[in-house]
Amino acid sequence: SQQGEEDPQALSIQEGENATMNCSYKTSINNLQWYRQNSGRGLVHLILIRSNEREKHSGRLRVTLDTSKKSSSLLITASRAADTASYFCATEVRVSGSRLTFGEGTQLTVNP
Amino acid sequence: DTGVSQDPRHKITKRGQNVTFRCDPISEHNRLYWYRQTLGQGPEFLTYFQNEAQLEKSRLLSDRFSAERPKGSFSTLEIQRTEQGDSAMYLCASSPRTWETQYFGPGTRLLVL
Repeated sequence: SQQGEEDPQALSIQEGENATMNCSYKTSINNLQWYRQNSGRGLVHLILIRSNEREKHSGRLRVTLDTSKKSSSLLITASRAADTASYFCATEVRVSGSRLTFGEGTQLTVNP
Repeated sequence: DTGVSQDPRHKITKRGQNVTFRCDPISEHNRLYWYRQTLGQGPEFLTYFQNEAQLEKSRLLSDRFSAERPKGSFSTLEIQRTEQGDSAMYLCASSPRTWETQYFGPGTRLLVL
């Protein structure tokens, strides 16, 4: 079964608005990574947040991690049409050593 | 600094044929991973290498699948006797060490007719 679950499955907003996507997971993790995927393309890495971190920023991206609730959120501020893509969270769990376990993703559509 | 590359980008084959994909990781990354992604789903782990050693294989990797990384650089993923259910995007990723960012290639899209 998937370790991570994203919420919502789909999100449609207007350009300039903020977009928030959530991810929940089941087991203890070493780190959590967010990726973006444009239709039919490879995955682009956005942010890695470690289990001892609570918040990270990168440009218009803000990621939070709550290990007590086993959840993370990705906030994209001042969205642009070019942000339209699928967004995945992926967890690297302590016992597995190295594999990433992905959720099913959130499809974000930013309307111009 | 070149990223992860994969070849071919697209492959169409008939059921029962064998196919082989190649992945070239980022230079000096000793960890290399293979994932499979079907439409509307997130990627699923198949296997990974540390240098030339294959350290973990998913139960998704049936006997028809084999992966190699003979000199600890590029890797190949072979699927024998392809089935329609093998149709998917095959993604390769590399990282410099454990607990670090995995960088993905553009993927090889396989269609089995």
